[in-house]
Amino acid sequence: AQSVTQLDSQVPVFEEAPVELRCNYSSSVSVYLFWYVQYPNQGLQLLLKYLSGSTLVKGINGFEAEFNKSQTSFHLRKPSVHISDTAEYFCAVSDHSPGGYQKVTFGTGTKLQVIP
Amino acid sequence: EAGVVQSPRYKIIEKKQPVAFWCNPISGHNTLYWYRQNLGQGPELLIRYENEEAVDDSQLPKDRFSAERLKGVDSTLKIQPAELGDSAVYLCASSQPGLAGAVVQFFGPGTRLTVL
Repeated sequence: AQSVTQLDSQVPVFEEAPVELRCNYSSSVSVYLFWYVQYPNQGLQLLLKYLSGSTLVKGINGFEAEFNKSQTSFHLRKPSVHISDTAEYFCAVSDHSPGGYQKVTFGTGTKLQVIP
Repeated sequence: EAGVVQSPRYKIIEKKQPVAFWCNPISGHNTLYWYRQNLGQGPELLIRYENEEAVDDSQLPKDRFSAERLKGVDSTLKIQPAELGDSAVYLCASSQPGLAGAVVQFFGPGTRLTVL
């Protein structure tokens, strides 16, 4: 079984300030990791994913995340946020089963509120 | 490339009434998922299809929920009768096997169901 913990339900941050959204996961097997963003009244959109290799992953809209195996974390960061980044962000984990079914488990989400 | 299409976007019904949601996945995506997203939560899988076969419906409340994907393309999720607790956003997603074995799901905008 796998699980994802997003401890921060809401994160307010001033425009142009840096932000970090925290994600910790638990799994007994190797995993793939994802961050999705959900704008109001829209579906989830993939921001970035970690499959293997470099632990620093760059995504769209200037976001990046770092995979830390020893701390079982996959925190999302952006050096300078914009008003348009106001949204809900979901961390997700899936089994590392190439060719097989990869069940995805989502965290409960973190609402990023960018303050002008 | 067209994304995942869902309709309706919003639906308000009274309890005990039936309701149906429709999803058209991305062309060529053999795998289709229905998720339920309760307020303040991440998406939770209801059912997964591989082509026209439901391969994981363990989380689908079968007493009132049903789904079909007759020709392996479009899918319909039905609730009959609806209960107050069914109020949520119902998300459809689709995927195909990805690079390095990772599966990336693409989400539709969802249907927001309100049961009065």
